[in-house]
Amino acid sequence: QSALTQPPSASGSPGQSVTISCSGTSRDVGTYNYVSWYQQHPGKAPKLMIYEVSKRPSGVPDRFSGSKSGNTASLTVSGLQAEDEADYYCSSYAGRNNYVFGTGTKVTVL
Amino acid sequence: QITLKESGPTLVKPTQTLTLTCTFSGFSLTTYGVGVGWIRQPPGMALEWLALIYWDDDQRYSPCLSNRLTITKDAYNNQVVLSMTNMDPVDTATYYCGYTIGTSKTAWYPTWFDPWGQGTLVTVSS
Repeated sequence: QSALTQPPSASGSPGQSVTISCSGTSRDVGTYNYVSWYQQHPGKAPKLMIYEVSKRPSGVPDRFSGSKSGNTASLTVSGLQAEDEADYYCSSYAGRNNYVFGTGTKVTVL
Repeated sequence: QITLKESGPTLVKPTQTLTLTCTFSGFSLTTYGVGVGWIRQPPGMALEWLALIYWDDDQRYSPCLSNRLTITKDAYNNQVVLSMTNMDPVDTATYYCGYTIGTSKTAWYPTWFDPWGQGTLVTVSS
């Protein structure tokens, strides 16, 4: 199955914003509004941060926001904090028979 | 509070069958729409969805691995079991289970998992 493409790394200083892209195709991100984002700290399980492109689960700070344009989804973390340093993965429903994850982005807080 | 925990062997030999158990609490796998899925992550690599089972025993599998996977449930003992045949060293990974609520809008294929279990590392080596 083809993974969604993310930049390997992104960084920002405390208080700044960082945006991570998730590039898919018309078979997944471009057609369906079922993009999710997960945060994973080293040695820990992933945590859902965004679902259905832009919805935040209860307890997720509003500093995290999601959007989509065409075949590319984005996660923006505003007001970066040290605790936001982690790996981030996007995912998408990809039509019948599939659910795919992105390649992952390591976010560093400078 | 929903919690899940994976258990199973930490080491399997090539060609063997892996059997993992996800034991959960805080929800019932007899409730409409509720599902439990499995996801894996090779060391230093990305996540990969494997399988999902719903309250009504409906199952969904990754097309890449469907011929090797079987997912079953014991709703009354709050457990979901994943079997993977013909294990290979490339199957070395941390295996996670996760909770979801499905939708008919995606033909009951997953759209998110939350929360996840802590994961269990399975190494395939002779």
